[in-house]
Amino acid sequence: DAGVTQSPTHLIKTRGQQVTLRCSPKSGHDTVSWYQQALGQGPQFIFQYYEEEERQRGNFPDRFSGHQFPNYSSELNVNALLLGDSALYLCASSRTSLELFFGEGSRLTVL
Amino acid sequence: AQTVTQSQPEMSVQEAETVTLSCTYDTSESNYYLFWYKQPPSRQMILVIRQEAYKQQNATENRFSVNFQKAAKSFSLKISDSQLGDTAMYFCAFTSIIQGAQKLVFGQGTRLTINP
Repeated sequence: DAGVTQSPTHLIKTRGQQVTLRCSPKSGHDTVSWYQQALGQGPQFIFQYYEEEERQRGNFPDRFSGHQFPNYSSELNVNALLLGDSALYLCASSRTSLELFFGEGSRLTVL
Repeated sequence: AQTVTQSQPEMSVQEAETVTLSCTYDTSESNYYLFWYKQPPSRQMILVIRQEAYKQQNATENRFSVNFQKAAKSFSLKISDSQLGDTAMYFCAFTSIIQGAQKLVFGQGTRLTINP
């Protein structure tokens, strides 16, 4: 049983570019959340998707957007990248439980 | 807004020793959950233990136990008989019942090193 898988694992972008990160939830999970973890910090909640809709959102600008597909996989899009967007982006999935299963993250470096 | 504070950026102990990681939080909610997550160098966050605020009994999972002091808003993690594999970043996290398990508020983390 595959856990949460994320792609790509690492990527480098330049300021002003756009990036798309992808996440496949654990089998049987229908809810996906995204977190941003800056170096040396704890993760910060970006948003949650359930039934293909954004259900909750953290304190992130509109440059951060997402999508959930009918197969429950999800994408995180960040437009007009800033240096401060450099971070590890974590995807987590769950299904009506109190345990989130996290992926290994996508490390984004903005130059 | 809820906040979670971990005041120990780094800790180091010898293998087989017991270590306690501290966490305090601030919330006006009465129904919530607290968690400890472990993040090894592989970067994957792994749930260590969970505590429901309405339960007075402290949660225990094998060598891991918590000391939950609701009035003091304190939630410490004790690791007994520490092992080399326990070396990792440890994060304390909070979520309210209303927000469900998805919107976790994390502390800054404690880097724990277990020395042979």
